[in-house]
Amino acid sequence: GAVVSQHPSWVICKSGTSVKIECRSLDFQATTMFWYRQFPKQSLMLMATSNEGSKATYEQGVEKDKFLINHASLTLSTLTVTSAHPEDSSFYICSASNPAGGPDEQYFGPGTRLTVT
Amino acid sequence: KQEVTQIPAALSVPEGENLVLNCSFTDSAIYNLQWFRQDPGKGLTSLLLIQSSQREQTSGRLNASLDKSSGRSTLYIAASQPGDSATYLCAVMYSGSARQLTFGSGTQLTVLP
Repeated sequence: GAVVSQHPSWVICKSGTSVKIECRSLDFQATTMFWYRQFPKQSLMLMATSNEGSKATYEQGVEKDKFLINHASLTLSTLTVTSAHPEDSSFYICSASNPAGGPDEQYFGPGTRLTVT
Repeated sequence: KQEVTQIPAALSVPEGENLVLNCSFTDSAIYNLQWFRQDPGKGLTSLLLIQSSQREQTSGRLNASLDKSSGRSTLYIAASQPGDSATYLCAVMYSGSARQLTFGSGTQLTVLP
């Protein structure tokens, strides 16, 4: 149980275009989902916290107009990178919190590698 | 500022050795601490989760300890194997953090056959 999927697993896009990444909890309802970014040989940095039915909370330095997060249901959150540029190339990982599995454990998706050319 | 630090950044050992990875955190007010494994280009695999009230957790050849008063955790890997080669990440859920995890920078482990 407690499986989180991401789609796509990798994507290449041209500079200036937008890309949408999906994060799904497959076998549980996730009231809270988190989006992280990881640059090569670096650790995960939290971008935003997404609560179902409400606006996401962004970390300092993360542009909310560039990284649009939607959490419209208890099993799906999406991250849209708008007007992508090469510096947005990174590994994006989501996690989901499952209250039924314990009040404070997160389950991570497999990640999405974004390359902007 | 609540931070998580991992030492060493990289470690190379011969197969069969026992080894210890270290994690330190700056604030003892935590909900839990979690150890993850990450293979190159892949997502995270949860290894062990230690709740604030616990001192250690064990899974197979892995043992993680937690000492809140000193702000430290260790991950002990017994009888290391080449398949253990990966980056190991420590993450802390600080109290009052709305379930957010703060990650360390990781230890890249190479087990030589």
